[in-house]
Amino acid sequence: ELVLTQSPGTLSLSPGERATLSCRASQSVSDNYLAWYQQKPGQAPRLLIYGASSRSTGIPDRFSGSGSGTDFTLTISRLEPEDFAVYYCHQYANLSPGTFGQGTKVEIK
Amino acid sequence: EVQLVQSGAEVKKPGESLKISCKASGYRFARYWIGWVRQMPGKGLEWMGIIFPDDSDTIYSPSFEGHVTISVDKSISTAYVQWSSLKASDTAIYYCAGMIDTAMVFDYWGPGTLVTVSS
Repeated sequence: ELVLTQSPGTLSLSPGERATLSCRASQSVSDNYLAWYQQKPGQAPRLLIYGASSRSTGIPDRFSGSGSGTDFTLTISRLEPEDFAVYYCHQYANLSPGTFGQGTKVEIK
Repeated sequence: EVQLVQSGAEVKKPGESLKISCKASGYRFARYWIGWVRQMPGKGLEWMGIIFPDDSDTIYSPSFEGHVTISVDKSISTAYVQWSSLKASDTAIYYCAGMIDTAMVFDYWGPGTLVTVSS
């Protein structure tokens, strides 16, 4: 099973600051089949990024994804109040099984 | 408009059986993978399994295989996950999610079904 490890566990930042979230895979994620989701309390996850760097429909351009192989990054260029949430990475290169990272909480400092 | 509508919250006792549902609309249900994700209280997302409705090809996570059954009824565009014998540790929110616009990525999600198992 391909294990994803996210860091940090919690990121304390102020609105307007830049957020950098990391996702490291236990083996190479082929074809960069790595996605990022945002989840707010009481809501279902929302797809932000797929293919490591492609934004999903309607996602603001302050969200960007990068990386390849085993190291991936989600960057939020300037945090808006609505961006404070939990973020998960997800690999879909190997769907036997697919796996999620444990999540990074972005909280207001 | 793609919609995934899940069945309502359930309260069950250990050892009971349960089947929860996810009704899809707004796309050709049979032609796209749909799956289930567990979220235990205060915890992260866990990939349970996916099914291709057209032929019921199913892939389970080893963590869930043998404990849940994922199925579909194509005639009513509905996916299911069922348990024959619930445990307290099955208490969680269960999301259905479809891989519709973006190949093999969960890009549409249902609102979740809360399952509580308690004696």
